[in-house]
Amino acid sequence: GQQVMQIPQYQHVQEGEDFTTYCNSSTTLSNIQWYKQRPGGHPVFLIQLVKSGEVKKQKRLTFQFGEAKKNSSLHITATQTTDVGTYFCAGGPTGDYKLSFGAGTTVTVRA
Amino acid sequence: GAGVSQSPRYKVTKRGQDVALRCDPISGHVSLYWYRQALGQGPEFLTYFNYEAQQDKSGLPNDRFSAERPEGSISTLTIQRTEQRDSAMYRCASSQNSFSIRGDNEQFFGPGTRLTVL
Repeated sequence: GQQVMQIPQYQHVQEGEDFTTYCNSSTTLSNIQWYKQRPGGHPVFLIQLVKSGEVKKQKRLTFQFGEAKKNSSLHITATQTTDVGTYFCAGGPTGDYKLSFGAGTTVTVRA
Repeated sequence: GAGVSQSPRYKVTKRGQDVALRCDPISGHVSLYWYRQALGQGPEFLTYFNYEAQQDKSGLPNDRFSAERPEGSISTLTIQRTEQRDSAMYRCASSQNSFSIRGDNEQFFGPGTRLTVL
């Protein structure tokens, strides 16, 4: 079955630094979604990418969908303490609605 | 309400008992999803409703798990004869539209029900 894998599992970042988290699928995805879950909270939708090679920005966050629609990345610049949480990518194969979530990248920030 | 609500927020039960978990989606949302989330993992798909129709239940672990959404709004996930391995966070999500390959199916998650089976 489809698997979505995320690396790294943990990311410890100095405040002000940049980092990137990666998402890889074993199959082609119709779209990829990114969610953020704060400690003790629930997943909150961040963005959705649909097109091959698509890049979207939200302030300090840059999301990219790979050309083959099998991978995606989230790059955060100038990390802040508000960026703490677990970032999940989720995707479904072409024509399907079932989202497969990765295990997430848990981000901690050193002030 | 403004968001997805779930009840109870916490449920402790003894092995062998039945439990019913409730989800109240955002008003007007067509699609409703149930997920199970283990600690340190992402949500795992259980089942999906489009209005009152259960379109996919392939993620339900076994026949002790069932779900319904009789009027296309509130949904109930029922676990019969609970086992310790059923302990997890159960999350409900809703989205405005039926699924579309255009990808306009942002999901809004509820706070979850933490189930503990003793």
